[in-house]
Amino acid sequence: EVQLLESGGGLVQPGGSLRLSCAASGFIFSSYAMSWVRQAPGKGLEWVSAISGSGGSTYYADSVKGRFTISRDNSKNTLSLQMNSLRAEDTAIYYCAKDLFCSGGGCNNFDYWGQGTLVTVSS
Amino acid sequence: HSALTQPASVSGSPGQSITISCTGTNSDIGAYSYVSWFQQHPGKAPKLIIYEVTNRPSGVPDRFSGSKSGNTASLTISGLQAEDEADYYCIASTYTSTHIFGGGTKLTVL
Repeated sequence: EVQLLESGGGLVQPGGSLRLSCAASGFIFSSYAMSWVRQAPGKGLEWVSAISGSGGSTYYADSVKGRFTISRDNSKNTLSLQMNSLRAEDTAIYYCAKDLFCSGGGCNNFDYWGQGTLVTVSS
Repeated sequence: HSALTQPASVSGSPGQSITISCTGTNSDIGAYSYVSWFQQHPGKAPKLIIYEVTNRPSGVPDRFSGSKSGNTASLTISGLQAEDEADYYCIASTYTSTHIFGGGTKLTVL
């Protein structure tokens, strides 16, 4: 059974940093691209970042480029999102999501999602 | 890239059919066949219901179908059921291999 479990969310001050993790199990982690998608309270979904199965290719939304870094450790089946220079508008539930069949990172067939972790940026 | 355009809300009675549109540009929906649709119930994670414009993942009823014409993708739900009441989101790939979601559509089953 595929499982994705996010952790690392919490309250952080504007300008601060936070590192999210997503522990994956139930599938061959290195074979699939992974993404982070966020949802501000009461708002819609926003794609944040993606990484290829090998970790060699990464992609970012303009809203986080230069501030967030996506990475993965295929030996530990873990996806990470390092978030720096956080802003109030980064406040959201952050979901990690697995692609249905793509390994390259350019797809959006997110067939499994975690339960999400809440990041709150506030002073 | 701006968010894809979806109607804020649609409604229908049980048994009826509804269609949700998702309008982009010739740099995203119009350029590629990488359009997916997600269903999200309150407090839950999104669920993939259509991928690559027309394909249904295993376990998704054939009442859900997708299509695309030009810069607009559409999700049609036929034989509407009470459990279909949820928020629906489209997403499309762009020429830079990034992705953009639509603003979401709230479906009400009357």
